[in-house]
Amino acid sequence: GAVVSQHPSRVICKSGTSVKIECRSLDFQATTMFWYRQFPKKSLMLMATSNEGSKATYEQGVEKDKFLINHASLTLSTLTVTSAHPEDSSFYICSAPPSGSWVETQYFGPGTRLLVL
Amino acid sequence: QQPVQSPQAVILREGEDAVINCSSSKALYSVHWYRQKHGEAPVFLMILLKGGEQKGHEKISASFNEKKQQSSLYLTASQLSYSGTYFCGTEFGSARQLTFGSGTQLTVLP
Repeated sequence: GAVVSQHPSRVICKSGTSVKIECRSLDFQATTMFWYRQFPKKSLMLMATSNEGSKATYEQGVEKDKFLINHASLTLSTLTVTSAHPEDSSFYICSAPPSGSWVETQYFGPGTRLLVL
Repeated sequence: QQPVQSPQAVILREGEDAVINCSSSKALYSVHWYRQKHGEAPVFLMILLKGGEQKGHEKISASFNEKKQQSSLYLTASQLSYSGTYFCGTEFGSARQLTFGSGTQLTVLP
């Protein structure tokens, strides 16, 4: 199957700092990527849809100024958590459906575990 | 609207069967099934498109009843490696967005 990578895999930061998470599709192009957040023992909640060459679409309740998304190319999307606070600590996962295929599923990255102290 | 999964948790002995259900209040375009191990990202199992099809993958199969807006995942002769949390992801249109159910925690004991 297709491969999606995420970097870093885990990060610990101080409250008030910003953290950037990268999501890359390694062997396919993705005009759209999705960012999810998952709290312990909970489901994956969609935060935003990242669109190559245009603005991201955010789900209701997700602050666009706090979670900055940039889809710089057909293989890279970044999520920046600005002025992180302890309540932002979570497992962040990106996913990407291969472009041009309407019968394939989304492929998930390995996730980034963020801990804000 | 988040799809509803049932049961929330199930414990099996190796070799036993299990069924996990996923129901939606909205018309579905497709249903995607994933398994997630603790601390890892979800792993794709299978996708079912509207049309009432059934798919199989080794001893794991699934059905999709478009009229009832529900899908079921069937695990037969379960193995220890089947343990994990199973999520259904529902797609309501062609926007490729998935809305995930609350998950079903499956534990297979030796």
